Amino acid sequence: KNEVEQSPQNLTAQEGEFITINCSYSVGISALHWLQQHPGGGIVSLFMLSSGKKKHGRLIATINIQEKHSSLHITASHPRDSAVYICAVSYPDKLIFGTGTRLQVFP
Amino acid sequence: DGGITQSPKYLFRKEGQNVTLSCEQNLNHDAMYWYRQDPGQGLRLIYYSQIVNDFQKGDIAEGYSVSREKKESFPLTVTSAQKNPTAFYLCASKAGFAKNIQYFGAGTRLSVL
Repeated sequence: KNEVEQSPQNLTAQEGEFITINCSYSVGISALHWLQQHPGGGIVSLFMLSSGKKKHGRLIATINIQEKHSSLHITASHPRDSAVYICAVSYPDKLIFGTGTRLQVFP
Repeated sequence: DGGITQSPKYLFRKEGQNVTLSCEQNLNHDAMYWYRQDPGQGLRLIYYSQIVNDFQKGDIAEGYSVSREKKESFPLTVTSAQKNPTAFYLCASKAGFAKNIQYFGAGTRLSVL
């Protein structure tokens, strides 16, 4: 069993839809990260969370430490949101990555 | 602009050949990392370096080597001992080993001829 599980693996949506991507992890962590990987391959850090909720524009990330679960929400999705979204958890000395969720938003 | 530069973007390796992937950062970060990404798998750590002239093996170091002679540079050599080198390679850095946010380069895609 992977230490970081993401769901769904693939997601398609129509422009304007509300998107939710889930991440579950199996051990105690110091922080959880949401990353975005564009088709060209480069990765951008979206959020780092250790508790609660963070919002940036149309993106919202939440974490429940007791349930070892995090969600990434995208409101009013747009085709430019199409990317792979990766959850990663911090241990003191390294990151453990999920396999990613591939999101495609169609006009 | 500060950032991480990886080169080349695409690289081809012949059988038995060593190839070196470049990673340069101008963020003044102490820690640097190399990851490998394969389809359907999460990124896996190859090597990391907390400080100049020091580096540690990650989870999949076999067949790879690194050096850290300068703070801004952390090249990765894929040796002929790496029997399945075809993958996407990402370099990352962060301000200090205890810091949490890693910044990533654009990646190098390595293929075997």
